[in-house]
Amino acid sequence: AQTVTQSQPEMSVQEAETVTLSCTYDTSESDYYLFWYKQPPSRQMILVIRQEAYKQQNATENRFSVNFQKAAKSFSLKISDSQLGDAAMYFCAYRRRNTPLVFGKGTRLSVIA
Amino acid sequence: DARVTQTPRHKVTEMGQEVTMRCQPILGHNTVFWYRQTMMQGLELLAYFRNRAPLDDSGMPKDRFSAEMPDATLATLKIQPSEPRDSAVYFCASGTGSSYEQYFGPGTRLTVT
Repeated sequence: AQTVTQSQPEMSVQEAETVTLSCTYDTSESDYYLFWYKQPPSRQMILVIRQEAYKQQNATENRFSVNFQKAAKSFSLKISDSQLGDAAMYFCAYRRRNTPLVFGKGTRLSVIA
Repeated sequence: DARVTQTPRHKVTEMGQEVTMRCQPILGHNTVFWYRQTMMQGLELLAYFRNRAPLDDSGMPKDRFSAEMPDATLATLKIQPSEPRDSAVYFCASGTGSSYEQYFGPGTRLTVT
């Protein structure tokens, strides 16, 4: 079974600084997708960024970027120029096409003004 | 702006009562997922449907939980009888078979006293 591990239950970052959230996963599949979701206090699940496993280029979305290391099964999220609104729970997730998401336990990010 | 809707947003009930949660997937989406979020277990899959047919409900306690899709615009999750350990946030998400993304509803926060 696929598993997703987030080893950092909590992280903090100074406003305007950069922070990296870690995620590792375990799978025997070669075709899959990886995601980072943000969950603010409102509980809404917001897709931050996605990565297709067949793409070697790391995905970027504005201040958010990933470091995808397929051989190492690592998928970290970098947030640049952190803002107060970035404070939330962040979940790493995995799925194959047409299957449910498998989530990590989450990392709670605090942003210090 | 298409979105997944869930009702009710909050539900407080007494142990032993029946609880019904409803989800309206995005029009045209043929896959519906039910996830449960708790502090202890994190986000876990309860069940999912494709074209209204259940594909996997192994995450649900069969003796008390049931999930159905009476039609393509409505998915329901019922708990009977409810127990305090069922207290959680229940998310519905929808997607298409050809897309990587799942769109989450706002969740139903259930409290069983």
